[in-house]
Amino acid sequence: AQRVTQPEKLLSVFKGAPVELKCNYSYSGSPELFWYVQYSRQRLQLLLRHISRESIKGFTADLNKGETSFHLKKPFAQEEDSAMYYCALSLYNFNKFYFGSGTKLNVKP
Amino acid sequence: DAGVTQSPTHLIKTRGQQVTLRCSPKSGHDTVSWYQQALGQGPQFIFQYYEEEERQRGNFPDRFSGHQFPNYSSELNVNALLLGDSALYLCASSLRGRGGTTEAFFGQGTRLTVV
Repeated sequence: AQRVTQPEKLLSVFKGAPVELKCNYSYSGSPELFWYVQYSRQRLQLLLRHISRESIKGFTADLNKGETSFHLKKPFAQEEDSAMYYCALSLYNFNKFYFGSGTKLNVKP
Repeated sequence: DAGVTQSPTHLIKTRGQQVTLRCSPKSGHDTVSWYQQALGQGPQFIFQYYEEEERQRGNFPDRFSGHQFPNYSSELNVNALLLGDSALYLCASSLRGRGGTTEAFFGQGTRLTVV
């Protein structure tokens, strides 16, 4: 069965520190992996999609099929990065997402 | 473009009652998916509608049903409400095409409380 695990419920870092939000998945095939972000009082929105291999707002994520991981990284955290981050897996494009339980990132001044 | 809109924003119902939640997709989108997000959890897929038919379904009982209208808007119905149905219900819309499905956009959600 497909499963997405985000081991950290809360991650607190100081502004300017590196950030890594962990995501592991279980699926025997070739899934698509995504990171969604939810800022305070805003709706869930797409941050990154692994196949696009983009850097959005300084965040990057690399799909490691050997370790079945898709960790989200940013070298220098900013206060405006404080939000809830969800890792998600889809078996086909944007259909039927499997979400992790989310990690709350708190960037302290 | 207002994006994905959901109504109502909040709702309180009693156990055993029935509820209908509504979703208008982003302009130009033809596919609507529904998710249930319990407190402290990530969203869980309920089902997806395309061309007015349920195309995919998650692990939810038959008490959860839906509908899609010709204008692509959608409803989620839940019968015989249980306390455990209390959650944030999210709607996501996207556009299906030959090359695959476009980015899914989420609504703000409907907060359902069952008492």
